[in-house]
Amino acid sequence: GAVVSQHPSWVICKSGTSVKIECRSLDFQATTMFWYRQFPKQSLMLMATSNEGSKATYEQGVEKDKFLINHASLTLSTLTVTSAHPEDSSFYICSARAARMNTEAFFGQGTRLTVV
Amino acid sequence: AQSVTQLDSQVPVFEEAPVELRCNYSSSVSVYLFWYVQYPNQGLQLLLKYLSGSTLVKGINGFEAEFNKSQTSFHLRKPSVHISDTAEYFCAVSDPRGKLIFGQGTELSVKP
Repeated sequence: GAVVSQHPSWVICKSGTSVKIECRSLDFQATTMFWYRQFPKQSLMLMATSNEGSKATYEQGVEKDKFLINHASLTLSTLTVTSAHPEDSSFYICSARAARMNTEAFFGQGTRLTVV
Repeated sequence: AQSVTQLDSQVPVFEEAPVELRCNYSSSVSVYLFWYVQYPNQGLQLLLKYLSGSTLVKGINGFEAEFNKSQTSFHLRKPSVHISDTAEYFCAVSDPRGKLIFGQGTELSVKP
């Protein structure tokens, strides 16, 4: 299957700083990328959907100014957690889908964010 | 609106025993159904998917699932589990745009 690489796999940052998470499709062009958040022992919650070259569509209750998503190329999307606080600590996972594979999305390895 | 319900939050089972993880969905349109596995601190790996055709779908690691439209179910089964199958399992339904809606997850714990 297609490979999606997410970086970093874990990050610790101080409260008030910003953190950028990258999601790359290594062997296909990702026209759509999805960003999820997962709390311990819980399911994945979709945060936003991004299409290459256009603004991301955020799910209800997700602050777009807090979680900045950029999908500037067909192989890279980034999620920036701005002015992070301890309550932003979570596991963030991206997935990517190509236009020719409209039935399946491939997942990155996830990023464990800890804000101290 | 689409939704997915995984009926068991935890399933303990002994090694080499059969297992079934239950999943029910609701949708007003045709759906694609998926089962994913997640190991600790990792992303999701696709086990199998139902798009159309045969209702019995075979996946990786010896897992299979059966799509039952009348019961709106997509239960996951394995005839004999291994210790290495211990993980979290997620059932998901996809809308036509590829947006996945996940169930709450089932923690499969295989004991020796």
